[in-house]
Amino acid sequence: EIVLTQSPGTLSLSPGERATLSCRASQSVSSSHLAWYQQKPGQAPRLLIYGASSRASGIPDRFSGSGSGTDFTLTFSRLEPEDFAVYYCQYYGSSPYAFGQGTKLEIK
Amino acid sequence: QVQLVQSGAEVVKPGASVKVSCKASGYTFTDYAIHWVRQAPGQRLEWMGWINAGQGDTKYSQNFRGRVTITRDTSATTAYMDLSSLRSEDTAVYYCTRGVGGRMEFWGQGTLVTVSS
Repeated sequence: EIVLTQSPGTLSLSPGERATLSCRASQSVSSSHLAWYQQKPGQAPRLLIYGASSRASGIPDRFSGSGSGTDFTLTFSRLEPEDFAVYYCQYYGSSPYAFGQGTKLEIK
Repeated sequence: QVQLVQSGAEVVKPGASVKVSCKASGYTFTDYAIHWVRQAPGQRLEWMGWINAGQGDTKYSQNFRGRVTITRDTSATTAYMDLSSLRSEDTAVYYCTRGVGGRMEFWGQGTLVTVSS
């Protein structure tokens, strides 16, 4: 069973800054099956990135994903106020489909 | 537009069962899978299982040890998640999602299930 570990737990930054979130898998996984989700308080998660680097429909290009093997990254080129939320990575190559514990991106 | 509308919040007693529904619209229901994911307070998302809405085949997480059953009614374009032998640790928000190969593109609004005596 794949375990995903995200870091940092909390990231405090200001709008306009660049941000990098990390997701590490307990064993090498296919990048074709790595996704990132955004969740705001009281809302359902929203798919941002799938296949490690493909943006979902309607997702702005300031969001980008990369990585392979065990290490994956979600990058924000320039933070907007609406980007402050919790982010989860997910592996969906085989069940059980695992999620990371989340990174909270908060306003500094 | 794709919509997944879930049934309302539930308060259930320990040992009882709960059934949450997920009404799909805006797409061909039988062309996609429906997954169920839950989130306990302050916890990570946890995948529970999925159903192929067309064929009806299912797959479940072993973490639920046979307590979860997912079904669908194609005529009603609705999926259901039944969780039995409830305990306090099952208190969570339960989400249905439309899946494509395991990635979860669209989500329902969530249903809060509270297990309390």
